[in-house]
Parts: sequence; C-alpha cells; structure tokens
Amino acid sequence: AQSVTQLGSHVSVSEGALVLLRCNYSSSVPPYLFWYVQYPNQGLQLLLKYTSAATLVKGINGFEAEFKKSETSFHLTKPSAHMSDAAEYFCAVSQSGAGSYQLTFGKGTKLSVIP
Amino acid sequence: DSGVTQTPKHLITATGQRVTLRCSPRSGDLSVYWYQQSLDQGLQFLIQYYNGEERAKGNILERFSAQQFPDLHSELNLSSLELGDSALYFCASSARLHNEQFFGPGTRLTVL
Repeated sequence: AQSVTQLGSHVSVSEGALVLLRCNYSSSVPPYLFWYVQYPNQGLQLLLKYTSAATLVKGINGFEAEFKKSETSFHLTKPSAHMSDAAEYFCAVSQSGAGSYQLTFGKGTKLSVIP
Repeated sequence: DSGVTQTPKHLITATGQRVTLRCSPRSGDLSVYWYQQSLDQGLQFLIQYYNGEERAKGNILERFSAQQFPDLHSELNLSSLELGDSALYFCASSARLHNEQFFGPGTRLTVL
C-alpha cells in the first residue's frame, strides 16, 4: 500500500523567505508524485507532478520539487514566498493498480505568509 | 478554472436522507474520480469510473454509490445520511488513466 507523510501541519514564513514543505512517500513500485494547492473554499489545483522523467520538477507560480528516491522524499520549495502563496498544500502519490491511478494524499500543510 | 463542474455547490440536508451529487468532467476526459475531504479523515479516494465502467473502489461506504453516464458525467449518490457524512466531495477527471487529475470546486454537504 502506498502512503504519504507531510511533516508539519502548519508552516509560517515571512514574505520573501524560502518556502520548504516536506513530503515523504511510501510505495512498493515507482510512484507518480504530485503537489496540489487548495485556496480557501476552492478545489485543488495541480502545482507540479513527477512521473519518472527529470528528478527536479518545475511547477506553476515559481514552485519546484525534487524527487529523491534514496530518501523517498518529494519536498516542495519556492525561493521567495509571496502573500498569495498562503494556502493549504497537499502531496499525493499514485501508482497503477488494476488500471487505476487514484491519488493517496497526505494530510496537508497550511502555509501562512507573514508580511 | 479546471473545466470540471460540480453541482450543487452547497447541500444541507437531514440525517436519514438521500442526496445526489453531480459532476461534469473536462471535455474529452474519460476518467472520473470521487474524493471526500473531511477534517478527521483528510482527502480520501472513494471511487473511479472510466468510460462508463467502474474501475476502482476506495474507502466508499455501502450507503454510497456512483455511476458514469454515456455523456461521461457522473453522479455520486449518498443515502441514509449520517452526521459524519458531512464533508466536501470532490470530483476529478483525467484524459486517460495515467494522466494528471483536474479537480472540480467541490460540493459541501452538511448533514444536520
């Protein structure tokens, strides 16, 4: 079975500071990995995805993530936080199982940006 | 805007009742997934349909059922509702089985 652990349910950073949101996964086969963002009262928006191509993945809004197989990690980073980045972020893993690619999500990390 | 639509946006009902949530996938997407988001359980996969056929089941209660119609829209039916069923229900669609999923805005269900 696959699982995702997000360290830190709440992270606060100052505007302009580095954003680092941690995600570790467990999967018995090579996984597909995703980061989604959820703004208040909205659905989930895909930030970026890893599907076994380049290990450093660039996404939207200046975010990127690095797949590290040895550490089973897929941490999300952004060099400089902006007020508009305040939202909840979810790491998710999927793997093929009988032709389905359902997502298993972490519990989410709420990012606050302090002006 | 992801292109996935869900109706209604909000639903308030009483225990024991039955409701139907509707999802229209992005144009051309064959796969529809349903997820439940609650404070205690987080985001959980419920069920998936692909081109009208059930493809996978997750943590879906027996009181819940779904179907995908020939025009590819999907409905999630929740019956004998309990207080604990109050949650956000998301639908997501993807073009093929292995493609990324695009999420709708969700239906917020409140059971009183």
